[in-house]
Amino acid sequence: RKEVEQDPGPFNVPEGATVAFNCTYSNSASQSFFWYRQDCRKEPKLLMSVYSSGNEDGRFTAQLNRASQYISLLIRDSKLSDSATYLCVVKSSGGTSYGKLTFGQGTILTVHP
Amino acid sequence: GAGVSQSPSNKVTEKGKDVELRCDPISGHTALYWYRQSLGQGLEFLIYFQGNSAPDKSGLPSDRFSAERTGGSVSTLTIQRTQQEDSAVYLCASSLDRYEQYFGPGTRLTVT
Repeated sequence: RKEVEQDPGPFNVPEGATVAFNCTYSNSASQSFFWYRQDCRKEPKLLMSVYSSGNEDGRFTAQLNRASQYISLLIRDSKLSDSATYLCVVKSSGGTSYGKLTFGQGTILTVHP
Repeated sequence: GAGVSQSPSNKVTEKGKDVELRCDPISGHTALYWYRQSLGQGLEFLIYFQGNSAPDKSGLPSDRFSAERTGGSVSTLTIQRTQQEDSAVYLCASSLDRYEQYFGPGTRLTVT
């Protein structure tokens, strides 16, 4: 079983739609969680951190459920520019792997007019 | 300010040759990471440096892979006797200790 699992999609949605991505992780000791965005042939860039209390950044809302080891990302009012691959990321917190990021396979989103 | 830079941006090499990939982290960033992204495998961790030391090399796929970091700055990833399965994008990231990792643009390696 992969450490971080995502539905690879692809998700094809019209502009203005709401879309949700889900992710599960297997290491219960994981401490930090993120969503990264990766555009085609570009490097990953941090979209937002994920907290148990939930956090929102404009049209984006991220949520963490530690009991279920489940992470989600909600995008409201999708824009064409949201088209990208969204990566669920878990960060190791201690020991020799401190700071190591473990990535899910990514979920491809295409927003069409 | 300047971000993470990597060179070369693209490298095509023949099977069996050695290659060196370079990463220049953001100035002052103590932590440096190498990752690899290949089709079907996603993004995989290779090695982590804290200063010039590598406390975690667990992701290096074989003993053909090695990396070093000098002066707490530049890092070089070396692949000896390249194989076709080494073809991938090699990404470097740096961070200030536990904070956000910033990725470089990557080196696209093609082994023919």
